[in-house]
Amino acid sequence: GDSVTQMEGPVTLSEEAFLTINCTYTATGYPSLFWYVQYPGEGLQLLLKATKADDKGSNKGFEATYRKETTSFHLEKGSVQVSDSAVYFCALSDRGAGGTSYGKLTFGQGTILTVHP
Amino acid sequence: GAGVSQSPRYKVAKRGQDVALRCDPISGHVSLFWYQQALGQGPEFLTYFQNEAQLDKSGLPSDRFFAERPEGSVSTLKIQRTQQEDSAVYLCASSLGSPLEQFFGPGTRLTVL
Repeated sequence: GDSVTQMEGPVTLSEEAFLTINCTYTATGYPSLFWYVQYPGEGLQLLLKATKADDKGSNKGFEATYRKETTSFHLEKGSVQVSDSAVYFCALSDRGAGGTSYGKLTFGQGTILTVHP
Repeated sequence: GAGVSQSPRYKVAKRGQDVALRCDPISGHVSLFWYQQALGQGPEFLTYFQNEAQLDKSGLPSDRFFAERPEGSVSTLKIQRTQQEDSAVYLCASSLGSPLEQFFGPGTRLTVL
């Protein structure tokens, strides 16, 4: 079945440091890939997505590139801020051989990011 | 604008009690999903509705779990004879259609004593 593996956390960084959160996946079809973020006290929000190989998703300074050859979708940000402190989830939505999907998401276990001033 | 709302936000149940968790999706959203999130884990899929039709219930962990969406809008997740292992946050998400972006509610935290 489908699965998503994220790097183990928590991750603690100083403000303006470079961030990488690793994510690898296993899927039987042709998945779309997502990063969701959960800020303290809030619900899950879509951060960025990529729907096919070599696509780059980006939002709020975060980027992730869909790498089919390494089945990876690592999240990066060049300079983190205190306000980026949150839990980050990598997820996939698989498409069958016919290329369709109703959108069911498979999530990784989440990575807690804490950014200090 | 109104997002996805869930009620109650917190629920404490004694082992063996039945509970009902409500989800109000964004108006006009056709697709509705339920997920279960255990402490320190990512959400896990429970079930999916397209309008009032339950098209996938493969993630429901046992026959104690039942979900409905009778008029294609509000959905209720019911858990019968709750067990301690049912303690989790239950998330609802809706989307305009599949496989478009899902918008998540704040969740209901269920604690079974």
